[in-house]
Amino acid sequence: DAGITQSPRHKVTETGTPVTLRCHQTENHRYMYWYRQDPGHGLRLIHYSYGVKDTDKGEVSDGYSVSRSKTEDFLLTLESATSSQTSVYFCAISEPLVRKSYNEQFFGPGTRLTVL
Amino acid sequence: GQQLNQSPQSMFIQEGEDVSMNCTSSSIFNTWLWYKQDPGEGPVLLIALYKAGELTSNGRLTAQFGITRKDSFLNISASIPSDVGIYFCAGLNTNAGKSTFGDGTTLTVKP
Repeated sequence: DAGITQSPRHKVTETGTPVTLRCHQTENHRYMYWYRQDPGHGLRLIHYSYGVKDTDKGEVSDGYSVSRSKTEDFLLTLESATSSQTSVYFCAISEPLVRKSYNEQFFGPGTRLTVL
Repeated sequence: GQQLNQSPQSMFIQEGEDVSMNCTSSSIFNTWLWYKQDPGEGPVLLIALYKAGELTSNGRLTAQFGITRKDSFLNISASIPSDVGIYFCAGLNTNAGKSTFGDGTTLTVKP
């Protein structure tokens, strides 16, 4: 299994509070991603990073920010959590290979966030 | 943005039956991926397809990259209880670094 950990694994918070989720990898992969998973919506990309301090928005980035100051860590922050952000959050990593035309993503175990 | 339509949304089958699911897109992809997610865990890659028309197997799983590059299919033969989970297709284009995921097919296998 790829060395990806997410913390916390479970969190319950109240509307309006800031929340930071952490993704840590030991694979030295360049690319990192944050997804949210909701029933009926599959996996939706929130933000992604192609390297240290190189991040970009995904399809559902509103209300979220990210930071990547080290290769191994990718932080997802909800500045002011809302009930619509109750979800399961997955981090993923990948290392594109020049000679291959695919980009396999390895997923972390997920963080279940409940916003009351 | 790109969207993937994955069907069926759910399947309830008897152990030993074969399973078919598919994914269609309004856009062309040059790579298709199929993932499985077990309850409480993250998705794990099952099969990767790189060429239109390609047929690839992984044990009892077989996946095909559609000729039009807008669809892909996954078949599971002789299903067993541990096949239970959510199966996701994903399409991507080379060097884009981002995959677009389908909404998943939830498979239930009755012993």
